[in-house]
Amino acid sequence: EIVLTQSPDTLSLSPGERATLSCRASESVSSYLAWYQQKPGQAPRLLIYDASNRATGIPARFSGSGSGTDFTLTISSLEPEDFAVYYCQQRSNWPYTFGQGTNLEIK
Amino acid sequence: EVQLVESGGGLVQPGRSLRLSCTASGFTFGYYDMSWVRQAPGKGLEWVSFIKSKAYGGTIEYAASVKGRFTISRDDSKSIAYLQMNRLQTEDTAVYYCRRDLGCSGGSCQDFWGQGTLVTVSS
Repeated sequence: EIVLTQSPDTLSLSPGERATLSCRASESVSSYLAWYQQKPGQAPRLLIYDASNRATGIPARFSGSGSGTDFTLTISSLEPEDFAVYYCQQRSNWPYTFGQGTNLEIK
Repeated sequence: EVQLVESGGGLVQPGRSLRLSCTASGFTFGYYDMSWVRQAPGKGLEWVSFIKSKAYGGTIEYAASVKGRFTISRDDSKSIAYLQMNRLQTEDTAVYYCRRDLGCSGGSCQDFWGQGTLVTVSS
């Protein structure tokens, strides 16, 4: 099973700041990595698929990069609605797996 | 508008069974792979199972934690995906989400999730 490790566990920032979230895979997932945002009581929302492609309707302030084992989600300038939990997820091999999540909180 | 509506969750005793349904609308159900993903209270996400479209052979996979106990299926004529859960354990307590695989239009792709249904396994 491919293990995804996200860092940091918690990120405290203010609106307007830049957020950088990391995801490291225990083995290569090529570019088969997605990023999800989840708010309390809601289903996950796809932000980025295949490492760097924004999903439909996702604002341009969200961007993804990386390949192989190291990936990054960047939010260029945080909006109040961006504070949430973020998960990376791989679909390279079954079982598909998620990282443990990064809680992006307001400082 | 794409909609996925899960149903069938509830409180069940350990060892008993439950069947979840995911009723889809707004797209051609048979064209898409469907999955079940769960989230235990206060925890992260776990991909439970998927079933590919018949065009891709209807391939099925299960997480090790549910293999042999859960069965995924689909009825393309009714646009419903099912998750039959047998021999339920307390650790199966979670919100269960139905997910439709990526669909692409105009150079961008999107998946869709239901609102989730809570399964509580407790005596």
